[in-house]
Amino acid sequence: QQQVKQSPQSLIVQKGGISIINCAYENTAFDYFPWYQQFPGKGPALLIAIRPDVSEKKEGRFTISFNKSAKQFSLHIMDSQPGDSATYFCAAVYLLTGNQFYFGTGTSLTVIP
Amino acid sequence: DGGITQSPKYLFRKEGQNVTLSCEQNLNHDAMYWYRQDPGQGLRLIYYSQIVNDFQKGDIAEGYSVSREKKESFPLTVTSAQKNPTAFYLCASRLGGWDGNTEAFFGQGTRLTVV
Repeated sequence: QQQVKQSPQSLIVQKGGISIINCAYENTAFDYFPWYQQFPGKGPALLIAIRPDVSEKKEGRFTISFNKSAKQFSLHIMDSQPGDSATYFCAAVYLLTGNQFYFGTGTSLTVIP
Repeated sequence: DGGITQSPKYLFRKEGQNVTLSCEQNLNHDAMYWYRQDPGQGLRLIYYSQIVNDFQKGDIAEGYSVSREKKESFPLTVTSAQKNPTAFYLCASRLGGWDGNTEAFFGQGTRLTVV
């Protein structure tokens, strides 16, 4: 059973556009929601993360929007650049145990110059 | 320079052979994880360990084994019982605990190919 559902599977955006990736979760006990960025042949790296007590977190061009009632969260990449082309994974964690990160299936983002 | 190191980067194995993937971290992290990554399936948890000499099965543990004899090391053995071992394997670590740093750090991965 997929604990975290991620969409779309792939995304193509023009340079300067906005990239939006969505995730939904089932378990209301999750209390930490990170996004990871992965380049080909590399391990994922933390991009930005949010706790459910806030509805939005912004770091530079990257913003997480969080809707607790809908059990959804999304990553927005403003002014998308070719260097943003990568695979993005959302995840959900239950901090009390913190022993498992439940990952979405990933979104392959391509930013066209 | 702190980090998490996986070796080798590429590994080829003949069918029926066991092979061990190395994962070492010098971040003084308590928790360590092994994930398998296949196209379109995201990251699936194989095994995790929260402390030395203790580890738990993840969602796809069949055909794999691990050990955690030292805090900094968490090797993964892919046994001949694993039916489809060709994949990209990722090791991760985190400080651990629910009140501490929750970021998981990943290694650069090992690509295993069965020939």
